Amino acid sequence: DQQVKQNSPSLSVQEGRISILNCDYTNSMFDYFLWYKKYPAEGPTFLISISSIKDKNEDGRFTVFLNKSAKHLSLHIVPSQPGDSAVYFCGAGGTSYGKLTFGQGTILTVHP
Amino acid sequence: KAGVTQTPRYLIKTRGQQVTLSCSPISGHRSVSWYQQTPGQGLQFLFEYFSETQRNKGNFPGRFSGRQFSNSRSEMNVSTLELGDSALYLCASSLWQGAATNEKLFFGSGTQLSVL
Repeated sequence: DQQVKQNSPSLSVQEGRISILNCDYTNSMFDYFLWYKKYPAEGPTFLISISSIKDKNEDGRFTVFLNKSAKHLSLHIVPSQPGDSAVYFCGAGGTSYGKLTFGQGTILTVHP
Repeated sequence: KAGVTQTPRYLIKTRGQQVTLSCSPISGHRSVSWYQQTPGQGLQFLFEYFSETQRNKGNFPGRFSGRQFSNSRSEMNVSTLELGDSALYLCASSLWQGAATNEKLFFGSGTQLSVL
């Protein structure tokens, strides 16, 4: 049972344009959400998070939007840069100690 | 502050063997979690330890086990290896603040296990 889903395995965008990565979840007990970025041969690194009491959180070029009624969140990267090329994982937590439930990941490629 | 350290970085084993992976968390972090990453499956939760006790366990067979020591370092063991166990195994630590909400995990670089 995949409680967190990232339905797009990959996304390709031009440098300077907006990248939008999507994530859906099914467990209504999740109360906070995170995005992690992963480069090859490295562990995932925290990017941005959002609590279920908010619908938007911004940090520089990165903005996460949460739509609780649709059980959907998205990560917007504006403007996209080639260095943003990585695998992005959506994670959800709040139900169990030390456990984040992750999606399958989306490979983002930003072309110069 | 040093990050999460995992050893070894790479391992090659054959079917039927067993393997032990090691993880040293960030200093002061008492919670250690383990995840398995495979293509198409994302990050699958294995288990979490806090103060030498397993608090949470994912849906993996009993061949996967772990433990945590008094200094918060953790080991993960996989017995009777199968080809499907080939994956990147990631350890993460967190600063437990008394609630499961808003917990941020800090990941190590992982151990790449190949089972031949």
